[in-house]
Amino acid sequence: SQTIHQWPATLVQPVGSPLSLECTVEGTSNPNLYWYRQAAGRGLQLLFYSVGIGQISSEVPQNLSASRPQDRQFILSSKKLLLSDSGFYLCAWNYVTDTQYFGPGTRLTVL
Amino acid sequence: AQSVTQPDIHITVSEGASLELRCNYSYGATPYLFWYVQSPGQGLQLLLKYFSGDTLVQGIKGFEAEFKRSQSSFNLRKPSVHWSDAAEYFCAVGAGGQNFVFGPGTRLSVLP
Repeated sequence: SQTIHQWPATLVQPVGSPLSLECTVEGTSNPNLYWYRQAAGRGLQLLFYSVGIGQISSEVPQNLSASRPQDRQFILSSKKLLLSDSGFYLCAWNYVTDTQYFGPGTRLTVL
Repeated sequence: AQSVTQPDIHITVSEGASLELRCNYSYGATPYLFWYVQSPGQGLQLLLKYFSGDTLVQGIKGFEAEFKRSQSSFNLRKPSVHWSDAAEYFCAVGAGGQNFVFGPGTRLSVLP
């Protein structure tokens, strides 16, 4: 069966510091991968998706970036965090069935 | 482009009462429809999905949803709510691959 992992689970970072969040999927090959953000009390905002290694599509221009160095690894990065980057970050994957499956999330607080 | 609305931002029900969460979508063809639940600080868990066939679909935790094409709706129901059902519920529409749109969510509170 497929599983999806995210780490770290929680992160507190100062404004202006770099960021790296990692997502890995097990038990499937060539999945579509997604990064979403949830601000407090708000819905899901799609940030990036990837249909293959090195292929990244950005949905919202911002100071975040994403990379997919391996088939089942998706990384969310920033060179300099802003206060507005605080939120709950969710990674998800899907395949031909369309159903998206989510990881446990990373709570990021920027101070 | 597809879109999803969930008219109710917050619903409060008493434990044991019935529940219906509304979802309306906009899409030019028959969509794939989903309901997810999110407990505080957790990821999203799939409750149920509709791809085709029987318009009444059963999901986990005693939930069901009915697809009504004429109303462009996919409402979620549960006959008797438990305190553990308190969470955020998201309706979503899929249109193939990465074309996936979530509604804004409905927060469910359950009174003892």
